[in-house]
Amino acid sequence: ETGVTQTPRHLVMGMTNKKSLKCEQHLGHNAMYWYKQSAKKPLELMFVYSLEERVENNSVPSRFSPECPNSSHLFLHLHTLQPEDSALYLCASSLMVSSYNSPLHFGNGTRLTVT
Amino acid sequence: GENVEQHPSTLSVQEGDSAVIKCTYSDSASNYFPWYKQELGKRPQLIIDIRSNVGEKKDQRIAVTLNKTAKHFSLHITETQPEDSAVYFCAAKSGYALNFGKGTSLLVTP
Repeated sequence: ETGVTQTPRHLVMGMTNKKSLKCEQHLGHNAMYWYKQSAKKPLELMFVYSLEERVENNSVPSRFSPECPNSSHLFLHLHTLQPEDSALYLCASSLMVSSYNSPLHFGNGTRLTVT
Repeated sequence: GENVEQHPSTLSVQEGDSAVIKCTYSDSASNYFPWYKQELGKRPQLIIDIRSNVGEKKDQRIAVTLNKTAKHFSLHITETQPEDSAVYFCAAKSGYALNFGKGTSLLVTP
């Protein structure tokens, strides 16, 4: 059983819809991340939060809007997405964002399809 | 930003043989190098990692080597088994970000 839980597991949405992805970690970690995983591409870092404060935003389009209300929860709000945004969205957490000895623990991901 | 190159993209070996996956990185300030295994339909899971002040680390059949001067690191799997079949990702940490390679799809045939 993973310590990082993502919902929903699968999501199909139209280009005009608004939806949210949810991530919850039960590991007592202080850092949380959103990654995008597309076929034949590296895992792409989207956002990094440390103690609810966003510390990195990797030039992600504004149609993706993260929210971190506390150190255990992370959301990714989606609106007016494009078909090329279809991918597996992975949430991860780590004990601290700056420590080099703080591995990432991933959730199972949300498979997003934009029609 | 950090650029991580990973080779090969696919690798097929016979059960019992060794497998080697190689990665290079661009940012000399990178100080942490984990390897993740992702089985089909599952999340990436950490299998081994190495810090920049260490040249080699071994855990049973898995070993990782790091050459800081050349900025490359490698994953070695010995005595491969069918359950080792998965996609393997290398990564390098620079600042807050953990940057990943594109992945190597390893197939171990009985």
